Amino acid sequence: EAGVAQSPRYKIIEKRQSVAFWCNPISGHATLYWYQQILGQGPKLLIQFQNNGVVDDSQLPKDRFSAERLKGVDSTLKIQPAKLEDSAVYLCASSLEEIRGSEQFFGPGTRLTVL
Amino acid sequence: GENVEQHPSTLSVQEGDSAVIKCTYSDSASNYFPWYKQELGKRPQLIIDIRSNVGEKKDQRIAVTLNKTAKHFSLHITETQPEDSAVYFCAASVLHGSSNTGKLIFGQGTTLQVKP
Repeated sequence: EAGVAQSPRYKIIEKRQSVAFWCNPISGHATLYWYQQILGQGPKLLIQFQNNGVVDDSQLPKDRFSAERLKGVDSTLKIQPAKLEDSAVYLCASSLEEIRGSEQFFGPGTRLTVL
Repeated sequence: GENVEQHPSTLSVQEGDSAVIKCTYSDSASNYFPWYKQELGKRPQLIIDIRSNVGEKKDQRIAVTLNKTAKHFSLHITETQPEDSAVYFCAASVLHGSSNTGKLIFGQGTTLQVKP
């Protein structure tokens, strides 16, 4: 089966600019996650969707980050305006279900550099 | 709050030796504990997982043990090979309020270097 797809793979922007990331999960996977992975750290969950509804966005900096999952399939994550500390790898993952834990499949990530 | 502590942060072993990575978690309701391997510049990939109704699970050279009372779990890699060199992350599930859906809290990662 095809894996989780993400684009772009790399992005360099200046602070205060906007950026958007795209994710296409594995077909049939109801749950989609966006993680932020800062260099040398573990992935930190930003937002979790179950189909097209938000299950958890407690760690999402809502003053600058937004995400949507229209039609319960693809998802986009946007940062506006970006700050230097947003430099990280943004990982998208999906799972078949999220009932007390199931395997999450990760995409290749988007490496964001904010100058 | 929700927390997963992972140790050590770096581990260097000789090829053929064993490697052990340990994690502790804070939420006693956690019931799913996956381990991910992330090679440089690549995506995390699940290598083994364990649920709270099992104390140990093995898959060839990899094993995971879980102590629910102490709230810690460990990854054991035997007969290490250079291709085992990577960053390893543990994670523990945390439920969303009273629902039956959950999320993963990841440890900080362990960089394993296997010297030939």
